[in-house]
Amino acid sequence: GAVVSQHPSRVICKSGTSVKIECRSLDFQATTMFWYRQFPKQSLMLMATSNEGSKATYEQGVEKDKFLINHASLTLSTLTVTSAHPEDSSFYICSARIGSGEEQYFGPGTRLTVT
Amino acid sequence: QKEVEQDPGPLSVPEGAIVSLNCTYSNSAFQYFMWYRQYSRKGPELLMYTYSSGNKEDGRFTAQVDKSSKYISLFIRDSQPSDSATYLCAMSYTGRRALTFGSGTRLQVQP
Repeated sequence: GAVVSQHPSRVICKSGTSVKIECRSLDFQATTMFWYRQFPKQSLMLMATSNEGSKATYEQGVEKDKFLINHASLTLSTLTVTSAHPEDSSFYICSARIGSGEEQYFGPGTRLTVT
Repeated sequence: QKEVEQDPGPLSVPEGAIVSLNCTYSNSAFQYFMWYRQYSRKGPELLMYTYSSGNKEDGRFTAQVDKSSKYISLFIRDSQPSDSATYLCAMSYTGRRALTFGSGTRLQVQP
C-alpha cells in the first residue's frame, strides 16, 4: 500500500515554456501533498505544501507565480513550472501523507531539463 | 546550527557487515522519526517509522531512538550490495507542517 506515482518521469523542454508534473496517490486518499526539489548529492528541499481544495503554502524563497500548485482532488496534485529557465532544471519529487499520519510516502520523482 | 545533523559519508562496508547510520537533533519537540532509503535518481522509500524511545525491528533493519540524547540510529544487519543507497533520517512533531530531513548518508556495500 501507500503508493505514489508521478508523471512524467523525465521531461525536456525549451526555455520559456511551461511544464506540468502530476502526482497521484494510487491506493489512498492524500489530504496533504508536498513538493520537493533535489539537486545532485543534496537532500530534499521542500518547496510547498498543498491541501486538497485550498491554496498551497509555499516555503520562503519559492516563487508561487512560477511554481503553480493545484490539489484538485484527494488523489491528485500538480506542479506547473511556468516560463521555465535552465536554472529550473532539477529533480522534482512529490510526497503524500495519509490522514493525520506524520510519515510521508514519496513518488519516484521527475527529472526536468530545460534547454 | 542545523536542527538535524547527519554524517554525509560516503560509508563503505564489505558485504555482510553491520551498518550503523546515525542522526542527532537539537529540537526536543521532535516526536516522530523516520528513515528513508533513496536510490540514485529515485524518490525516497520509507524504511522505518517510530515515535517512541527504544528499538523497532523490521527484518534486517533496526531503528533506535534515544530521546534523552536526541540521537537516532538505523542498523542494517547482513548488508547487501543492494543496500547501497543514500539513507535519510527525517523527523517531525504534532502540528509541524513538514518533515525535517538530515542531509543523507551515502552507503556503499562492496561485494
